[in-house]
Amino acid sequence: KQEVTQIPAALSVPEGENLVLNCSFTDSAIYNLQWFRQDPGKGLTSLLLIQSSQREQTSGRLNASLDKSSGRSTLYIAASQPGDSATYLCAVMSGSEKLVFGKGTKLTVNP
Amino acid sequence: EAGVAQSPRYKIIEKRQSVAFWCNPISGHATLYWYQQILGQGPKLLIQFQNNGVVDDSQLPKDRFSAERLKGVDSTLKIQPAKLEDSAVYLCASSNGRDVYYEQYFGPGTRLTVT
Repeated sequence: KQEVTQIPAALSVPEGENLVLNCSFTDSAIYNLQWFRQDPGKGLTSLLLIQSSQREQTSGRLNASLDKSSGRSTLYIAASQPGDSATYLCAVMSGSEKLVFGKGTKLTVNP
Repeated sequence: EAGVAQSPRYKIIEKRQSVAFWCNPISGHATLYWYQQILGQGPKLLIQFQNNGVVDDSQLPKDRFSAERLKGVDSTLKIQPAKLEDSAVYLCASSNGRDVYYEQYFGPGTRLTVT
């Protein structure tokens, strides 16, 4: 059974800092890994999707890496801004197009 | 392209009452998912449809939850009778099934409070 763990559960940083969010998964047989953003009371916004054959994806100030063999992914956020404050969720797709989510990391960026 | 639509956005009911949620996926998306997200947790898949057939409902509490997807488009999720532990956000997602990335697109969710 696939399990996804995200560390840390919460993170508070000053504006402008670079930061890394971590995600680990137990079964390396995945189709893809996605990072989502969730604002309070809102749905999920897809940030980056990494296919199992890829090592990383970049979008603006975001960079996600994938090491399938070790069951790990990181989301790097450069030059953080208060608008980046949200919960970040990691999810892996292992089969039957089913996503398994971690519990998320709640990020607060202080002005 | 319109996104995934869900209604209502919020619902408050008493325990033992029934409730229904509606989802309209992105046009042309064959696969539809319902997820339950309890506060402080990640979303958990309840049921997955491919067109109007069920692919996976292994985590759906079938004694009280039911879902249908008529004509392979809109879907409804029903809870009857509701329990306090059903308080959660119910998220609907869809994917087109032909995208090699299998990317899922999520709606805004319905926040259910059971008192």
